[in-house]
Amino acid sequence: GEDVEQSLFLSVREGDSSVINCTYTDSSSTYLYWYKQEPGAGLQLLTYIFSNMDMKQDQRLTVLLNKKDKHLSLRIADTQTGDSAIYFCAETPSSNTGKLIFGQGTTLQVKP
Amino acid sequence: EAGVVQSPRYKIIEKKQPVAFWCNPISGHNTLYWYRQNLGQGPELLIRYENEEAVDDSQLPKDRFSAERLKGVDSTLKIQPAELGDSAVYLCASSPRGTFGTGELFFGEGSRLTVL
Repeated sequence: GEDVEQSLFLSVREGDSSVINCTYTDSSSTYLYWYKQEPGAGLQLLTYIFSNMDMKQDQRLTVLLNKKDKHLSLRIADTQTGDSAIYFCAETPSSNTGKLIFGQGTTLQVKP
Repeated sequence: EAGVVQSPRYKIIEKKQPVAFWCNPISGHNTLYWYRQNLGQGPELLIRYENEEAVDDSQLPKDRFSAERLKGVDSTLKIQPAELGDSAVYLCASSPRGTFGTGELFFGEGSRLTVL
């Protein structure tokens, strides 16, 4: 089946790096994504990675993909208080490329 | 450019009452999605439209939920009658045709439903 799992909570100090992890079950997923949701707001796409890539870097964000272990991670360098939000991992299942399957979200708390 | 607009932002109703949510996608976006987000969970797809055609409604509880996108622009999601378990945030999202591969769905702020 199609399933995406994330740890629920992460707390870091301002200036530290944050690493949010995700596992997925569909080995044929074409794209994997990270979305950010701030309180009372909708989801906003942060970054995505195509399944034939191992790593993607975009400013403070680094995405690592381990296809063998079906593991995706998001690293935020120099985490700021404004990064406090819920981060969702998502995949497009091979059975339906018009659909996104989301994880349950990881709440990132950044302490000053 | 205006984003995805949803209304109402908040709705409190008693069980067995009807409720409707409205969504206006970003201009020019052919694909429209309704997702439901339960507390502490990720969004789950209810229905996806390509223009006015519902191309994926497999997760829509059809006994009480209905949706329409008559002119391929704005959309309405209705629940009748509402049950306690329908309390959630209903998110609308849109994307331009042919760019789904990048995964960029543009989400509205959501409509938070509380059923008492």
